[in-house]
Amino acid sequence: DGGITQSPKYLFRKEGQNVTLSCEQNLNHDAMYWYRQDPGQGLRLIYYSQIVNDFQKGDIAEGYSVSREKKESFPLTVTSAQKNPTAFYLCASSISGTGGYEQYFGPGTRLTVT
Amino acid sequence: QQPVQSPQAVILREGEDAVINCSSSKALYSVHWYRQKHGEAPVFLMILLKGGEQKGHEKISASFNEKKQQSSLYLTASQLSYSGTYFCGTETATDSWGKFQFGAGTQVVVTP
Repeated sequence: DGGITQSPKYLFRKEGQNVTLSCEQNLNHDAMYWYRQDPGQGLRLIYYSQIVNDFQKGDIAEGYSVSREKKESFPLTVTSAQKNPTAFYLCASSISGTGGYEQYFGPGTRLTVT
Repeated sequence: QQPVQSPQAVILREGEDAVINCSSSKALYSVHWYRQKHGEAPVFLMILLKGGEQKGHEKISASFNEKKQQSSLYLTASQLSYSGTYFCGTETATDSWGKFQFGAGTQVVVTP
C-alpha cells in the first residue's frame, strides 16, 4: 500500500530538548511539506521541499529545521528555540511541487512539550 | 497572508445545502479544498486551477472566480458524512511554487 507514514503518533518531550519527527512516503512524490496545526486553527506551513536536497521556509520556520537527503524522507526537527512547540504536526506530499497537484497527508504526530 | 474563509461554522440538517467561501488578497494560481475529521488527517476534495481546470471528486462542486480571487465550495443535499472541518488552501501566482497557505477552516455539522 502506498502512502505517507509519520511516527510516532504521540510524542512527549521536556522543554529544552530537540525532537525529530519522522515522515516517510512511498508514493514516489517529488514534493513534501510540513504543517503545524493548533487547536481550532488551520494548517500553517513550516517547510516545504520540491525536490531532493532542496527545501524552503514556509510561514513559521523559526525554531524548526528539516533535511531532504532522500526522496522518500523529510524529517522535521523541533528545536529548543521553538517557543510553543506543543501542536499537531502534519506531513504531506504531492506528485510535483510545481503547482496544481493534490496533497496527500500523513496521520500526524501530536507533540506535547512540558 | 492566509486566505479568509467564511462562515466559521455552519450547522445543517441532512439534505440541506451550504456554501463555504474562500478569498485571497493575492492573485491565485490554484485553490484546493480539503476536509478534516476530528483528530484525522485532511482529505483531498478538489483543486481548481487558474484557467478553469478542475480536478476532484465527482460529487463535490466548487467554483473559482479568478478576477475576484475567490472560491466557493458547494455542499448539496448534505449527508451526515459531510461533517468535519473544511479548509481551502491556495497557491499564488507570485509566491514560489509549493508555498501553500490554508485558511482557518469552516466547521460543518450535519445533524439527522
